[in-house]
Amino acid sequence: DGGITQSPKYLFRKEGQNVTLSCEQNLNHDAMYWYRQDPGQGLRLIYYSQIVNDFQKGDIAEGYSVSREKKESFPLTVTSAQKNPTAFYLCASGGTGLQPQHFGDGTRLSIL
Amino acid sequence: EDKVVQSPLSLVVHEGDTVTLNCSYEVTNFRSLLWYKQEKKAPTFLFMLTSSGIEKKSGRLSSILDKKELFSILNITATQTGDSAIYLCAPYNTDKLIFGTGTRLQVFP
Repeated sequence: DGGITQSPKYLFRKEGQNVTLSCEQNLNHDAMYWYRQDPGQGLRLIYYSQIVNDFQKGDIAEGYSVSREKKESFPLTVTSAQKNPTAFYLCASGGTGLQPQHFGDGTRLSIL
Repeated sequence: EDKVVQSPLSLVVHEGDTVTLNCSYEVTNFRSLLWYKQEKKAPTFLFMLTSSGIEKKSGRLSSILDKKELFSILNITATQTGDSAIYLCAPYNTDKLIFGTGTRLQVFP
């Protein structure tokens, strides 16, 4: 089944801890994206990658880091520098301006 | 700065009603505009619009784009409770989607 898999579905972070959210796709897409969604708000772009070993900051990259070592995988690390990490995180792939992006089911991150 | 404004923010209707959701945008390097439906989890793709004045239709849903006036509308006729969701409008700036805050639609029986 082709698609985007995000894990875990729920994640709890302690103060001062880094956590990593996983995103894997088997759609053979070059481009992958990470978004953050807060209640009552739209999706805000954190980081995106259009090719392996390359990525760009989005609008709210501070306190986050990513890597893109494989085409299929684009993990997001929420660092301790992100002071307000509680949100719903969505990963997407595809989308070249004339193709839609497809989304995973998201990871809900909360502070302990 | 890129801007996307959706209205209304929230809408409550009864089954069978027709609704119109609005999206206005100011985006540099516009390529296309997408509509998504989001229930509890992943947004699901509804329409991609690239040309003005050409209506896209899927069942009870339809959408149209006006590139001169910089807006798009999404129409849902004969609404059902399963249409309850957040509807997101997102134009492409080159290869990045710029999302509006969404319209929350609630359909009651």
